[in-house]
Amino acid sequence: GNSVTQMEGPVTLSEEAFLTINCTYTATGYPSLFWYVQYPGEGLQLLLKATKADDKGSNKGFEATYRKETTSFHLEKGSVQVSDSAVYFCALGDQGGSEKLVFGKGTKLTVNP
Amino acid sequence: DAMVIQNPRYQVTQFGKPVTLSCSQTLNHNVMYWYQQKSSQAPKLLFHYYDKDFNNEADTPDNFQSRRPNTSFCFLDIRSPGLGDAAMYLCATSRAGRTSGRKGETQYFGPGTRLLVL
Repeated sequence: GNSVTQMEGPVTLSEEAFLTINCTYTATGYPSLFWYVQYPGEGLQLLLKATKADDKGSNKGFEATYRKETTSFHLEKGSVQVSDSAVYFCALGDQGGSEKLVFGKGTKLTVNP
Repeated sequence: DAMVIQNPRYQVTQFGKPVTLSCSQTLNHNVMYWYQQKSSQAPKLLFHYYDKDFNNEADTPDNFQSRRPNTSFCFLDIRSPGLGDAAMYLCATSRAGRTSGRKGETQYFGPGTRLLVL
């Protein structure tokens, strides 16, 4: 079945540091890939997504590239801010038409000033 | 603004006392989802509606039921809450790819209802 393996956290960085959160997936075919972010006490928000191989999703300085050859969708940001502190979830979209998501376990990021 | 609304944000119930959580949306999406999220874990899909068609996940306990009386509203009923059901419950909506013809439709989440069972 479909699955997502995400880098274990927590991750603690200083402001302006470079961020990478690794995500790999197992799926048949060409699923859509997502990064969702959850701020404390809130629901999830879409951060970025990619629907086919070599697509790059980007938003708020975050980027991730859909790599079919390595089955990966790693999240990167060149310079993190304190406001980026949150839990980040990598997810894979089911191709059955109802867009069910399979989530990774989440990575908690703390950015210190 | 179009959005997904969940009420209440916090719900306290007693062990074994039925409780209903509600979700409404102004996005006119045809798919609605209910997730359970326990502390420091990923959201776990309980079930989803594609229009009026109910789709239960295989490992969702019978204790959890859902109703969708119209496009805008969806309810989660927990018939006999146990201590292990204390969690954040997230509602989400999306268009369905089979309807829009597009891949990778975004799910829009509400803020969640945190359920405490005493």
